[in-house]
Amino acid sequence: DAKTTQPNSMESNEEEPVHLPCNHSTISGTDYIHWYRQLPSQGPEYVIHGLTSNVNNRMASLAIAEDRKSSTLILHRATLRDAAVYYCILRDIAGNNRKLIWGLGTSLAVNP
Amino acid sequence: NAGVTQTPKFQVLKTGQSMTLQCAQDMNHNSMYWYRQDPGMGLRLIYYSASEGTTDKGEVPNGYNVSRLNKREFSLRLESAAPSQTSVYFCASSEMHSTDTQYFGPGTRLTVL
Repeated sequence: DAKTTQPNSMESNEEEPVHLPCNHSTISGTDYIHWYRQLPSQGPEYVIHGLTSNVNNRMASLAIAEDRKSSTLILHRATLRDAAVYYCILRDIAGNNRKLIWGLGTSLAVNP
Repeated sequence: NAGVTQTPKFQVLKTGQSMTLQCAQDMNHNSMYWYRQDPGMGLRLIYYSASEGTTDKGEVPNGYNVSRLNKREFSLRLESAAPSQTSVYFCASSEMHSTDTQYFGPGTRLTVL
């Protein structure tokens, strides 16, 4: 399974944009890039996913490098409620393997 | 819709006791999963069920059994609890398609003394 690398922690100020990086240099052509986040004492929740093109939804944007070896989750205006651990995960659409391999993620702190 | 529900929310067991963690989803999803999360760690897959009537082992299946009771329900059983099984357990479900977004329950915090 392809692996991802994320910084252990990041810090932001409220109402400022946040760029959360993820490296996945061994990504294959059939791997989707998924982002989940986990608020304190809660289960993970889906944020966004993409394959090759940049993606936007109501929660965030996902910018994918042209070579797909890295991606960036963008929170346009951080709020205190965005303080969470953010996980970048690769999901192979070609195989029957339904497993997601979870790393340690990036712990995001948001300062008021 | 309640989404994914788990019971109980908290449980304390003594070594050697048995218990079953319950999970139900009301989204008509085909696939369901059980994960454990130890302090400061990411999630690790225990078992999953790709569809009703099938179950498969994940990364850390030893000491656990599962039952896919029907499309809605997927239970996790600890036959003889050990302190190493102290963890937070999450159930998740997903529709069976290629992007496979998973939806998680609130978790069960289990302590084995």
